[in-house]
Amino acid sequence: NAGVTQTPKFQVLKTGQSMTLQCAQDMNHEYMSWYRQDPGMGLRLIHYSVGAGITDQGEVPNGYNVSRSTTEDFPLRLLSAAPSQTSVYFCASSKDGFSGNTIYFGEGSWLTVV
Amino acid sequence: KNQVEQSPQSLIILEGKNCTLQCNYTVSPFSNLRWYKQDTGRGPVSLTIMTFSENTKSNGRYTATLDADTKQSSLHITASQLSDSASYICVVSGGDTGTASKLTFGTGTRLQVTL
Repeated sequence: NAGVTQTPKFQVLKTGQSMTLQCAQDMNHEYMSWYRQDPGMGLRLIHYSVGAGITDQGEVPNGYNVSRSTTEDFPLRLLSAAPSQTSVYFCASSKDGFSGNTIYFGEGSWLTVV
Repeated sequence: KNQVEQSPQSLIILEGKNCTLQCNYTVSPFSNLRWYKQDTGRGPVSLTIMTFSENTKSNGRYTATLDADTKQSSLHITASQLSDSASYICVVSGGDTGTASKLTFGTGTRLQVTL
């Protein structure tokens, strides 16, 4: 059981470049989300999805785009990378988006924008 | 503003000793409180989930307590092991956006267990 799989693990981008962080889960979860984790701060929600074809913005959505064409996949796109987007990104999934369900996190993607 | 504050920021203990980590929150309305363990370079892993009506929940050597009246939670680790070295994150779920619960994350307590 792979759980939540993120790729790549590490990436260095130049300012202005675009890229996609991949996230896939094999638990048939409806809810998927992307967080960023910065030093001295709690995880912050970027975007989330409650099912295929449905996405919504979180706390810090600017500069990021998502889509959810299948239940399994939830890619995060950086449109034009900026140094402020240097961070660790975590994809997460749960059965649905509501209370009481265990949230499973991927192993993280370390992104550096130079 | 919803906030989750954890203390201490970091802690060093000897292997075999017990320790307690604290979490205070101002999230309202309150749905549940979760504790996660995050090893260095890894994603967070769930330890416990507690709802309003639960005071205590255990997961092996980890015991979480919740006082919803004072909005405080603690995570007690018994007979610590080197593998307990990690960050421990308190997460409070409060209300929802209409489609999903809103989670507020603490900044974590970094625990180091030494010989």
